Amino acid sequence: KAGVTQTPRYLIKTRGQQVTLSCSPISGHRSVSWYQQTPGQGLQFLFEYFSETQRNKGNFPGRFSGRQFSNSRSEMNVSTLELGDSALYLCASSSLGDGYTFGSGTRLTVV
Amino acid sequence: DAKTTQPTSMDCAEGRAANLPCNHSTISGNEYVYWYRQIHSQGPQYIIHGLKNNETNEMASLIITEDRKSSTLILPHATLRDTAVYYCIVRVVLAGGATNKLIFGTGTLLAVQP
Repeated sequence: KAGVTQTPRYLIKTRGQQVTLSCSPISGHRSVSWYQQTPGQGLQFLFEYFSETQRNKGNFPGRFSGRQFSNSRSEMNVSTLELGDSALYLCASSSLGDGYTFGSGTRLTVV
Repeated sequence: DAKTTQPTSMDCAEGRAANLPCNHSTISGNEYVYWYRQIHSQGPQYIIHGLKNNETNEMASLIITEDRKSSTLILPHATLRDTAVYYCIVRVVLAGGATNKLIFGTGTLLAVQP
């Protein structure tokens, strides 16, 4: 079966812009989580959505937001980009009680 | 904060078993032990998980001590492709299958040597 699909794979934005990243989970998975990975901070949890509702949220500023659609696809948005937002953004989907399956990520570079 | 402690790095000879330790001394009764690995620039890959019994799948074995305060991931015959960062995570699986977030530590960089 198809895995978790994240688009785009790479992205370059300038400071102050906003960006939207997309994640399509494995068919049948209703939980989608987002993580940020940087060399300095490692893998950090952003938020989790289940059935279109945000269920958990990490310790990130309000510039980071997300949503989930009725087909379980999810998007995350970062507004007013800062240089420190440059990172690999990973999406993971999960079914009930299973381990998370991660996508390949979107590498965002803010210049 | 991460609830697990792992060595920063380990070496293993190709073809030999790789034994990766993890301490989780504050684990709660309803927390599972999960292992993931991340090969450079890819998303983390699920390996195995367990609650209190030892587990085995096609990738690895997980040995959990009786007091559940530590565990060991075993790759029985390590290959060069197993070179990766291995993360040990404790995670609550809530009632009804609702799941909690994954809290990643710094993991163990396993270098498999030819």
